Amino acid sequence: GQNIDQPTEMTATEGAIVQINCTYQTSGFNGLFWYQQHAGEAPTFLSYNVLDGLEEKGRFSSFLSRSKGYSYLLLKELQMKDSASYLCAVRDHLYNNAGNMLTFGGGTRLMVKP
Amino acid sequence: DADVTQTPRNRITKTGKRIMLECSQTKGHDRMYWYRQDPGLGLRLIYYSFDVKDINKGEISDGYSVSRQAQAKFSLSLESAIPNQTALYFCATSDASGGSADTQYFGPGTRLTVL
Repeated sequence: GQNIDQPTEMTATEGAIVQINCTYQTSGFNGLFWYQQHAGEAPTFLSYNVLDGLEEKGRFSSFLSRSKGYSYLLLKELQMKDSASYLCAVRDHLYNNAGNMLTFGGGTRLMVKP
Repeated sequence: DADVTQTPRNRITKTGKRIMLECSQTKGHDRMYWYRQDPGLGLRLIYYSFDVKDINKGEISDGYSVSRQAQAKFSLSLESAIPNQTALYFCATSDASGGSADTQYFGPGTRLTVL
């Protein structure tokens, strides 16, 4: 089975940097996704990692260590609009014998304060 | 226009009623999914379909059924709604290509309340 852990809530200040961690245990790891979800809205895709290392995309970066079962999402130059939940999702090619299914963590609610 | 649409966006119903939630997509994706989201529990997979003739149970399929009417349409039914099915329901689609191309794209959600 899969187990994904991320902090429930975080608070940060506008203009600062925040790191949201995600740890996972899975039998057939085949990629990790980060999604952003504003309250009451659909999750939207932010980043994808399948190899170890850092993927940078503008103000957002995502890091993966497969040996440690660990990822983080780094948000720089925080803006008020970054207040949202951030969902870590692991793709497991052995899930339910079907291949390439996603399991989501509970999400981290980030509050950005002025 | 949105690539993944869901109807209705909000629904209030009573215990025991049959409810259908509909999902349509214009992305041309083969794979479609239904999730429910509850506070603190994240997204949990109800059913998924890899093509028109393929239907599979997810993590929490009891009390739900689905129909894949066409590549672009995937509906979720609650045969006899109960209050603990009150949740936010999302439809999602993905391409079968693998890698980052297998990213799931979500519809706007349906907020269902069962009284």
